Amino acid sequence: SAVISQKPSRDICQRGTSLTIQCQVDSQVTMMFWYRQQPGQSLTLIATANQGSEATYESGFVIDKFPISRPNLTFSTLTVSNMSPEDSSIYLCSADPGGRIYIEKLFFGSGTQLSVL
Amino acid sequence: GIQVEQSPPDLILQEGANSTLRCNFSDSVNNLQWFHQNPWGQLINLFYIPSGTKQNGRLSATTVATERYSLLYISSSQTTDSGVYFCAVEKTDKLIFGTGTRLQVFP
Repeated sequence: SAVISQKPSRDICQRGTSLTIQCQVDSQVTMMFWYRQQPGQSLTLIATANQGSEATYESGFVIDKFPISRPNLTFSTLTVSNMSPEDSSIYLCSADPGGRIYIEKLFFGSGTQLSVL
Repeated sequence: GIQVEQSPPDLILQEGANSTLRCNFSDSVNNLQWFHQNPWGQLINLFYIPSGTKQNGRLSATTVATERYSLLYISSSQTTDSGVYFCAVEKTDKLIFGTGTRLQVFP
């Protein structure tokens, strides 16, 4: 299993500002994943973050809006830039600590509840 | 891209009842997982089940990969089972989540 710590747990931000979310895993992992969950909706993958390379973004998400860092094998950050009320969501980071080349069991942090005024 | 649909979207049960949740997916996948999101938002991995049947206490899951569906069975439901259940399929090194089933169990 894995313990994934995410912070902040919640924040209220003003339109036009940026927020950086931190994610710490208690073991080394190859891939980390960032998801967005809009109110009452399912989870949508934002990007996959590999250590030492650029993050891979899904359709509809761009690096300028959601820059991601992955400085080592246990840590990643997601920044939500130039926020608008439409960015109000829960943001979750996740990882599979199994060390396999495929995803077997994904573990999630407790999420960041973001509200943009 | 792959579509992952779950049914029913909402389910209301009285404590002690049994239920079956379904997950249909539109393409072949490498694996499938079931998650429970509790009312506080925490996601818990229930099963990793690319095929076959697994059981864990009152929960069991069956995946028929050739027919592109999976079922999650909850027996003798308890109020603590309330929340949203998601299936998620893995394709090309990423997990795609289904639409979810919101379960409410009343005493």
